[in-house]
Amino acid sequence: AQSVTQLDSQVPVFEEAPVELRCNYSSSVSVYLFWYVQYPNQGLQLLLKYLSGSTLVKGINGFEAEFNKSQTSFHLRKPSVHISDTAEYFCAVTRTGFQKLVFGTGTRLLVSP
Amino acid sequence: NAGVTQTPKFRILKIGQSMTLQCAQDMNHNYMYWYRQDPGMGLKLIYYSVGAGITDKGEVPNGYNVSRSTTEDFPLRLELAAPSQTSVYFCASRVRDREADSYNSPLHFGNGTRLTVT
Repeated sequence: AQSVTQLDSQVPVFEEAPVELRCNYSSSVSVYLFWYVQYPNQGLQLLLKYLSGSTLVKGINGFEAEFNKSQTSFHLRKPSVHISDTAEYFCAVTRTGFQKLVFGTGTRLLVSP
Repeated sequence: NAGVTQTPKFRILKIGQSMTLQCAQDMNHNYMYWYRQDPGMGLKLIYYSVGAGITDKGEVPNGYNVSRSTTEDFPLRLELAAPSQTSVYFCASRVRDREADSYNSPLHFGNGTRLTVT
C-alpha cells in the first residue's frame, strides 16, 4: 500500500526567505505524486503533480517539487515566500489504476513579515 | 460552474442523531470522494464512487453510508452520530482520465462541512 510522510507539522519562515516542505513516500510500485494547498476555511487545491518524465515539476504560485526515486522523496520548494503563502500543504500519492489518493498529515507553513 | 457544493457549512449534532451531508458537482465528473480532516491527521478517505450506482469503502467507512443515484450527487449519511465523528468533511470530484492507467485530472474540493457531535 502507498503512504506518504510529511516530516514537519509546522514550518515558520520569514517573508522572502526560501522554504522547503518535505515529503517522503512509500510504495513498491510506480507512483504519482501531488502537492495540494489548503487556505483557511477552504477546500484543497492542486499545486503541482508528478506523473512521469522530468523529475522537476513546476506548479502554481512559484512552487516547484523534485521527484527523487532513490530517496523516495517529493519535496516542495519555493525560492522566496510571501505572506499569502501561509496555508497548509498536503503531499499525496496514488499509483497506476488506483482511483484513491492517499494524503499525508499536512505541513502548516507560517510566513511572517 | 459552481464546482463542488457542500451543504450545510456547519452543523452541531447530539449523540445518536442522524444527518446527511450533501455534495453536488456540476462538472459531470465520474469520480467522487468523501474525506474527513482531523487536526494532525491529514485527510482520510471515507467512501468513494467511480460512477452512478457504484460506491466503495475507503480507509475509515465505519459509521457512514453513501449512495450515488446520479452523476451529480454523492450524499454522506451518518446514522448514529458519535463524538468521534466530530470533524471537517470534504467532498471532492474528478473527471475520469482518458487513459485508464493515468491520473492526470486533479481533485476538485468543496469548501467543507464542519460537524460537531456532542
